[in-house]
This record gives sequence, structure tokens and C-alpha cells, in this order.
Amino acid sequence: AQSVTQPDIHITVSEGASLELRCNYSYGATPYLFWYVQSPGQGLQLLLKYFSGDTLVQGIKGFEAEFKRSQSSFNLRKPSVHWSDAAEYFCAVGASGTYKYIFGTGTRLKVLA
Amino acid sequence: EAGVVQSPRYKIIEKKQPVAFWCNPISGHNTLYWYRQNLGQGPELLIRYENEEAVDDSQLPKDRFSAERLKGVDSTLKIQPAELGDSAVYLCASSSTSRRQNTEAFFGQGTRLTVV
Repeated sequence: AQSVTQPDIHITVSEGASLELRCNYSYGATPYLFWYVQSPGQGLQLLLKYFSGDTLVQGIKGFEAEFKRSQSSFNLRKPSVHWSDAAEYFCAVGASGTYKYIFGTGTRLKVLA
Repeated sequence: EAGVVQSPRYKIIEKKQPVAFWCNPISGHNTLYWYRQNLGQGPELLIRYENEEAVDDSQLPKDRFSAERLKGVDSTLKIQPAELGDSAVYLCASSSTSRRQNTEAFFGQGTRLTVV
């Protein structure tokens, strides 16, 4: 069965510092992977996605993620965090052909001024 | 282009009362999802439609939840009767799917339901 693990429930970083949010998945074949961001009281906004091809994926707002098949990971990174990045981040995996997306439990990011 | 529109944004009801949520997906999107997001958790799929057909409702509590997507566009999710444990954010999402490739789901702002 598919599953997604986000090991860090909360992360706090200083503004301008680099960021890495971890995501590990379990899936028998090549998954479709996504990172979404959710600001308080809002829906989910797609940051980036991986379907195939280049394992380093660029997204919006300066985010990137790297698919590592050997580690079953799809970690999200940003070189310099802005205060407006404070939000909750969700990793999701989709199964090819089923269009069913499984979400992790999320990582809440706090940014210190 | 308008995104996924949901209404109402907030709803407070007493337990045992009925409640309904409405979703208008992005124009042209054939797939529509209803997710439930409990506090501190990720979204969990309740039901997925392809056009007007419910193709995955395995996680929908059918004793009290129902959904419909008439004409394959708008959708309504209903709970009757509501229980305290139904308090959550209900998210609607849509995507344009094909046999060749998944696409990402676009989410609405959600309806926050509080059952008292």
C-alpha cells in the first residue's frame, strides 16, 4: 500500500537560512510525487511535482525537490527562507493510473525574524 | 481562470443536524475529489469522481455521508446526521486526467465544519 511519511512535525528556521523538509514514501513502482503548501485557513497550493525525468524538480516560490529512488525520498529545499514561507507543507504520492493521492501528515514551518 | 470554488467557507451546526457542502471545479476538469482534513493531519480522500461517475468511494462513510456530481460539473457532499467527530475541513479538488498521465489536483479553500 502507498504511504507517505513526513518525519518532522514542526520545523523552525531563521529568515534567510536554508530549509529542507523531509518526505519518505512507500510505493511499489515509480510514484508521482507532489509538494503542497497550506497557509492558515487556506486550501492547498501546489509547489512542485515529479512525474518522470530529471530527478531535481524546480517549483514556485524558489522551492526545489529531489527524487531519490534509492532512499524513497522526495525532500523539499529552499536556499533562503522568507518570513512569508511560514505555513504547513504536505508531501503527497500518487499512484499511476489511479489518480489517488495519499498525503503525509504535514510539517509546520515557523520562520523567525 | 477561476480556481476551485467551495461554499460555505465555515459552518457550525449542532450534532444530528444535516449539512451540505458545494464545490465548483475548474472548468474542463473531469476529475473531482472530496477530501477531509482533520486538525493536524493531511487530507484524506473521501470520494473521487470521473465526470459524473463515482469511481472511488471506498473511504466514504456511507451510513451518513453522500455525494453527487450531477452533469459532471458541480458537486455536493452531504452529511446526515452530523456527529461531533465530523468536525474537520472538507476540501474539494479537481484535476484533468487522462489515461496517459496523472496531473496535479487543484484545491479549493475548503469548508471548515464545526459540530457542537
